[in-house]
Amino acid sequence: NAGVTQTPKFRILKIGQSMTLQCTQDMNHNYMYWYRQDPGMGLKLIYYSVGAGITDKGEVPNGYNVSRSTTEDFPLRLELAAPSQTSVYFCASSLAPGNPHEQYFGPGTRLTVT
Amino acid sequence: GESVGLHLPTLSVQEGDNSIINCAYSNSASDYFIWYKQESGKGPQFIIDIRSNMDKRQGQRVTVLLNKTVKHLSLQIAATQPGDSAVYFCAENGEAGTALIFGKGTTLSVSS
Repeated sequence: NAGVTQTPKFRILKIGQSMTLQCTQDMNHNYMYWYRQDPGMGLKLIYYSVGAGITDKGEVPNGYNVSRSTTEDFPLRLELAAPSQTSVYFCASSLAPGNPHEQYFGPGTRLTVT
Repeated sequence: GESVGLHLPTLSVQEGDNSIINCAYSNSASDYFIWYKQESGKGPQFIIDIRSNMDKRQGQRVTVLLNKTVKHLSLQIAATQPGDSAVYFCAENGEAGTALIFGKGTTLSVSS
């Protein structure tokens, strides 16, 4: 199993540009998550999904959109990039919430908006 | 604000010493806690977890202690090695229980 994969690894955007961060997992996990991590900080939840066709907002959803058309894929869309969205983005998946709740993380996408 | 926090942003130890990383949480409804390790340039990696009906759980060289009275969580690493150098995060499942709430992290530096 590849686990959770993310593309691209790095990206530089100009203010106002759009992009999609890709996330795929091959563990047949129902739950998927997008986090952002700012320098020296913990992870903040952007959006999550409990299964195909179902998504919900996390702590910091503004400026982002998600979709979950398949179990495997959970892309994150930035429509109008802003400097405040400069961060490292992590996708994660888990079989279920609650106990146990181990989440498997991808390697991250480092995004810079200038 | 942060629901889960850590007492110290950095911790420096010598190889072979035991390390203790602390975490305070504020959400009484949380019933599941996890420690993650994040190496430079990588995503967080699961270390160990504990449920609220336990106060101690041991893994390989790691022990997690949970004190619900004072809402305190700690990670003990025995015989710390240079490969243990990383940022360590505690996380809780919060009231909703559908996603994790992460603290800011403690950077552990191990010198040989």
